[in-house]
Amino acid sequence: AQKVTQAQTEISVVEKEDVTLDCVYETRDTTYYLFWYKQPPSGELVFLIRRNSFDEQNEISGRYSWNFQKSTSSFNFTITASQVVDSAVYFCALSEAMNYGGATNKLIFGTGTLLAVQP
Amino acid sequence: KAGVTQTPRYLIKTRGQQVTLSCSPISGHRSVSWYQQTPGQGLQFLFEYFSETQRNKGNFPGRFSGRQFSNSRSEMNVSTLELGDSALYLCASSFTGRDEQYFGPGTRLTVT
Repeated sequence: AQKVTQAQTEISVVEKEDVTLDCVYETRDTTYYLFWYKQPPSGELVFLIRRNSFDEQNEISGRYSWNFQKSTSSFNFTITASQVVDSAVYFCALSEAMNYGGATNKLIFGTGTLLAVQP
Repeated sequence: KAGVTQTPRYLIKTRGQQVTLSCSPISGHRSVSWYQQTPGQGLQFLFEYFSETQRNKGNFPGRFSGRQFSNSRSEMNVSTLELGDSALYLCASSFTGRDEQYFGPGTRLTVT
């Protein structure tokens, strides 16, 4: 069965600190997709990144970076020089893949990590 | 480009009643998925519609149903409401249903 584990329930940091959010997943599929979403207090899930199982290259987008390691089934997310606006719940998610590629829309979410950035 | 919109944003219903939630996807998107978010169960997939057909379904009882119209707008219906149905219901749209999903602000349903 597919499963996503975010062991960190809450993290509190002071502004400008770097912070890493952990995500460990389980799947029997050889092709799958991993996602990160941000949920600010307003409730709307904001898409951050999608990565397929064949692309293990790390990715950097501004202050955000992602480290995908298939060997440990982990897809960790690092925020560099955190800011108060980064305060939110962050979800890691996994989706099944279709036989011909592409992801299904059935996302399996982790329980989320609440990040609080103090000024 | 307008994002995903959901109406109403807040709803209070009584046990036993039924409720209909609406979702308008991003223009051009043909896939709409629904998720339920509760403190106890987290985010759970309900179903996905693509071109007016249900393409995928989560593990929810038959009281939860949905449909999609020719303009890709989708509605979700919950009949015989139970207290445990109190949740944030999120709708997400994507172009093909095989790419990134963009979520709406959600409808917060409270069942009393």
